[in-house]
Amino acid sequence: DVKVTQSSRYLVKRTGEKVFLECVQDMDHENMFWYRQDPGLGLRLIYFSYDVKMKEKGDIPEGYSVSREKKERFSLILESASTNQTSMYLCASSIYTDTQYFGPGTRLTVL
Amino acid sequence: QKEVEQDPGPLSVPEGAIVSLNCTYSNSAFQYFMWYRQYSRKGPELLMYTYSSGNKEDGRFTAQVDKSSKYISLFIRDSQPSDSATYLCAPSRREGRRALTFGSGTRLQVQP
Repeated sequence: DVKVTQSSRYLVKRTGEKVFLECVQDMDHENMFWYRQDPGLGLRLIYFSYDVKMKEKGDIPEGYSVSREKKERFSLILESASTNQTSMYLCASSIYTDTQYFGPGTRLTVL
Repeated sequence: QKEVEQDPGPLSVPEGAIVSLNCTYSNSAFQYFMWYRQYSRKGPELLMYTYSSGNKEDGRFTAQVDKSSKYISLFIRDSQPSDSATYLCAPSRREGRRALTFGSGTRLQVQP
């Protein structure tokens, strides 16, 4: 069974903190994605990775960075969290870039 | 103009009703048409997809694509309360790393 896990379901951080969101997949997929989901705005792509150590910016990369040191793990880093980064963060992985398998999401609140 | 437009709803129907969920898109390069379902407080899951124009049926669900009018539909027959979720259409170019574009989703509520 396909499995994408995210390190936390809920996270509360303070403005200016460095935040790490971890995602792990067990399907040996080449592609991994980070999205944020906000009411009325839908899913917006932050970054994606198509191979170990390879990454490309999505639609809203500002304020974020990513790391993919191993094929199964893709990390999203908020260098200095701000209140406008309060959101639901979703990780996904795929063989083809369109048939994506999503994790359960991390709801991040920045105070 | 957004590449993919989808009515956010909510759409509320009684149990047993036929539901029609729709999207329009602007990019003629889209070749595959995905539907994802997202339950509350969960990540989206791929429900079904079609290639090019035409219909595809999977149980109570039918996906329909009209490429000439750039219109995508998902029909749910005999809707159940367990179908209550947000449905996201997602057309795909299939080729290239940025293949998939999500609509903003339509929230469906099926009342028992």
